[in-house]
Amino acid sequence: QQQVKQSPQSLIVQKGGISIINCAYENTAFDYFPWYQQFPGKGPALLIAIRPDVSEKKEGRFTISFNKSAKQFSLHIMDSQPGDSATYFCAPSHSGYALNFGKGTSLLVTP
Amino acid sequence: EPEVTQTPSHQVTQMGQEVILRCVPISNHLYFYWYRQILGQKVEFLVSFYNNEISEKSEIFDDQFSVERPDGSNFTLKIRSTKLEDSAMYFCASSEGGADQPQHFGDGTRLSIL
Repeated sequence: QQQVKQSPQSLIVQKGGISIINCAYENTAFDYFPWYQQFPGKGPALLIAIRPDVSEKKEGRFTISFNKSAKQFSLHIMDSQPGDSATYFCAPSHSGYALNFGKGTSLLVTP
Repeated sequence: EPEVTQTPSHQVTQMGQEVILRCVPISNHLYFYWYRQILGQKVEFLVSFYNNEISEKSEIFDDQFSVERPDGSNFTLKIRSTKLEDSAMYFCASSEGGADQPQHFGDGTRLSIL
C-alpha cells in the first residue's frame, strides 16, 4: 500500500472552534479522497469525499480542501461540537479500489 | 438505512485453530472487502472480491487467508491456522463499485488469539 501521512495524531478543540486535519499522499494515481469518521466500537463511516477535479467541497459543517500539486488534502470541521469527538481517517484510493488509510486523528471537542 | 452486518462481534480462538469471520454485505452491492485494524494501528486493506473472485489483495493476505461468498448474501474470511499476530479488529465493507461509490463498513469482529 502506498504511504499516507495524516496529522495531527490527536487534536483538542473547544466547542464552536475549527478542527483541521491534514493528509499527505505519495501515489499520484489516487483519484478519490475520502475522510472517514469512526466512533468507539463502530466501523469507519464515510464523512465526506472529493474527486481531484475540484479544489474544495463543503457539506454542512464539513469541508474538504484539496491541493493536487502538493498532494495534500485536509478536513475542516466548522463550529465543532462534542458529538464530533471521534477518530478521523483519510483514506485515498485509485478508482474505487483498496482504501489506503492514514493512522488516524483522535479529535476531542471540549464543552 | 441498509448496513453491513458482521458476526460474531468477538471471537476468541486458540493459536493454530481455524477461524471464520462472517459478513452480510448490503444487498445490492457488488464489491466486497476485508480490512483489519491491529490495536493502536491504522486500518489495513486485506482483500477485495468481485464477481466471485479476488480482485485485489495485499501482502498481508497470504496463503493462511481465504475468502468466499458461499451464497447470495454472506461473505466470509477464513484464517486457516491462526497466529498471535492475527489478533485484531476485522472489518468487512461493501460498495456498489465504481470510483465514486463509498465503501460501507460493518462494526467489525474483534479476533483474539490466545
